[in-house]
Amino acid sequence: AQSVTQPDIHITVSEGASLELRCNYSYGATPYLFWYVQSPGQGLQLLLKYFSGDTLVQGIKGFEAEFKRSQSSFNLRKPSVHWSDAAEYFCAVGALNNNDMRFGAGTRLTVKP
Amino acid sequence: DTAVSQTPKYLVTQMGNDKSIKCEQNLGHDTMYWYKQDSKKFLKIMFSYNNKELIINETVPNRFSPKSPDKAHLNLHINSLELGDSAVYFCASSARPGAGGELFFGEGSRLTVL
Repeated sequence: AQSVTQPDIHITVSEGASLELRCNYSYGATPYLFWYVQSPGQGLQLLLKYFSGDTLVQGIKGFEAEFKRSQSSFNLRKPSVHWSDAAEYFCAVGALNNNDMRFGAGTRLTVKP
Repeated sequence: DTAVSQTPKYLVTQMGNDKSIKCEQNLGHDTMYWYKQDSKKFLKIMFSYNNKELIINETVPNRFSPKSPDKAHLNLHINSLELGDSAVYFCASSARPGAGGELFFGEGSRLTVL
């Protein structure tokens, strides 16, 4: 079965600074990769997804992620963080032949003024 | 118009009680899920239904019983509640079963067992 590792439990960045959240996956075939964001007291919302094609994918709210097969990574980036980006971020991997989407443990983002 | 709605949003109950959480989606999706999020924010899949048929049943105590009366609804019934059942339970749906499709989540139901 597929699995996901998010090495950083908590990251703090200053408003306006750039952001990179790390995600590593394990899956034997072509993965379907996702980043979700969870604001406090809310459900998860999809930021972006990678199924195939261009390895750099653009998402909502100015986020992007790059799929690197050689590193089994799908890191999330944003060039300039806004205070409203403070939230929990989850990387997830799905598979073609089953309904089982696996989530990483999440990275909590704090934004300093 | 809420796409995936869960009720109740908050549930506080005593150990040993039985409780249910309801979920409805108006997206026309075929696949629905229950996820459990523990106090450390870890999300774990519990069940997945595709067009009312159980597809995924993770290692979950049989005190948890999902029921899907139609493909727009997936309810979760929990018998003999235990302290460790305290968590946030998320319902989700997707349009693409078996293809790792995007999940649409409800806002969660926070269950507290005293």
